[in-house]
Amino acid sequence: DAKTTQPPSMDCAEGRAANLPCNHSTISGNEYVYWYRQIHSQGPQYIIHGLKNNETNEMASLIITEDRKSSTLILPHATLRDTAVYYCIVPTLLNSGYALNFGKGTSLLVTP
Amino acid sequence: GAVVSQHPSRVICKSGTSVKIECRSLDFQATTMFWYRQFPKQSLMLMATSNEGSKATYEQGVEKDKFLINHASLTLSTLTVTSAHPEDSSFYICSAPGYTPMGGYNEQFFGPGTRLTVL
Repeated sequence: DAKTTQPPSMDCAEGRAANLPCNHSTISGNEYVYWYRQIHSQGPQYIIHGLKNNETNEMASLIITEDRKSSTLILPHATLRDTAVYYCIVPTLLNSGYALNFGKGTSLLVTP
Repeated sequence: GAVVSQHPSRVICKSGTSVKIECRSLDFQATTMFWYRQFPKQSLMLMATSNEGSKATYEQGVEKDKFLINHASLTLSTLTVTSAHPEDSSFYICSAPGYTPMGGYNEQFFGPGTRLTVL
């Protein structure tokens, strides 16, 4: 399974864009990159995923480099409620489906 | 989107007792569910894969006789912590795979978690 590397923490001012990087240099050609976040004491929440094209939804944008070895999650206008731990994951295929191996993630603090 | 619930949300029990945690997919069927454990200030760790109609698959280091998993139906999986001890105190989270509009891949929907405290 492809491993991911993220900075342990980041700060962002409210209203500004938060750019969260992730390295996944061992990713295979058919493996997706998923982003989840976990607000304190809650279950993780899906944000976005992609294969090789950039993706955008109502929550965020995902920029994947052409060689697919890294990606960046962009929260265009961060709010205080976006304070959470963000996980970049390349899922592991099991016999019964995909399991998510959570690394340490990036703890994002959005400040007023 | 799909919703996964857990019950109870919080439980406190005495050492040596057993605790059952339920995980339900509310508006979709899940033949597979995953159970995670999270200790304070740590990341989620996959404990086991719950399979409807067959035995659960446990991750290395997780005692199957201590953490009993039963996938009773297509919408319910239960995790029973038997003879609980203080070191079992943790945040237990379940998830079930769903489907994204993009197709061709599964999205995981997570329950809100169960906080277990063993005295």
